[in-house]
Amino acid sequence: SQQGEEDPQALSIQEGENATMNCSYKTSINNLQWYRQNSGRGLVHLILIRSNEREKHSGRLRVTLDTSKKSSSLLITASRAADTASYFCATALRGYDMRFGAGTRLTVKP
Amino acid sequence: DGGITQSPKYLFRKEGQNVTLSCEQNLNHDAMYWYRQDPGQGLRLIYYSQIVNDFQKGDIAEGYSVSREKKESFPLTVTSAQKNPTAFYLCASSMRREPSTDTQYFGPGTRLTVL
Repeated sequence: SQQGEEDPQALSIQEGENATMNCSYKTSINNLQWYRQNSGRGLVHLILIRSNEREKHSGRLRVTLDTSKKSSSLLITASRAADTASYFCATALRGYDMRFGAGTRLTVKP
Repeated sequence: DGGITQSPKYLFRKEGQNVTLSCEQNLNHDAMYWYRQDPGQGLRLIYYSQIVNDFQKGDIAEGYSVSREKKESFPLTVTSAQKNPTAFYLCASSMRREPSTDTQYFGPGTRLTVL
């Protein structure tokens, strides 16, 4: 069963704008990860944030985690057409038990 | 796609046939996983293996089988018992045996269509 749920399901913006995607989950977690998937391809890991961290940056990506609200957000700044993809959050409590959401489909128009 | 290869990229199967999807990694990772992805949905875990000659069922193992005879290889067989096999199949690996603490590296996927 899915643990994380991304919001919105789809997002369309112009190049240069910022894109924000949210992920909500139900149970306690060990960490939360964000992955990207280009159409018809495998997933690529973007960033991992641990349950004791509140914010993390990687290039144009900024991830926040609020464990009290059981939610996370992924911000992509100064978006580019090449950022067009689906973005998934994955939550993990322990062991092999990683749960992926249904994803946010981001379209960046040139 | 991070040193993991999957073949074939597209696979067509007639009803009643078994088919085997290949997954190979050269990352020297201990753990390997198989996921199924349906349109507009997240990934669902079929099987995972933490070490050679050992594997465990995931959430949707019915109708599937796997083997892990070599560290580098984790083939998935979709049997005729799988009622709705048309989907996109993704293989992944991670260095440590617990993906909850580690990054997963994904292959490019195999799209299986039942005719």
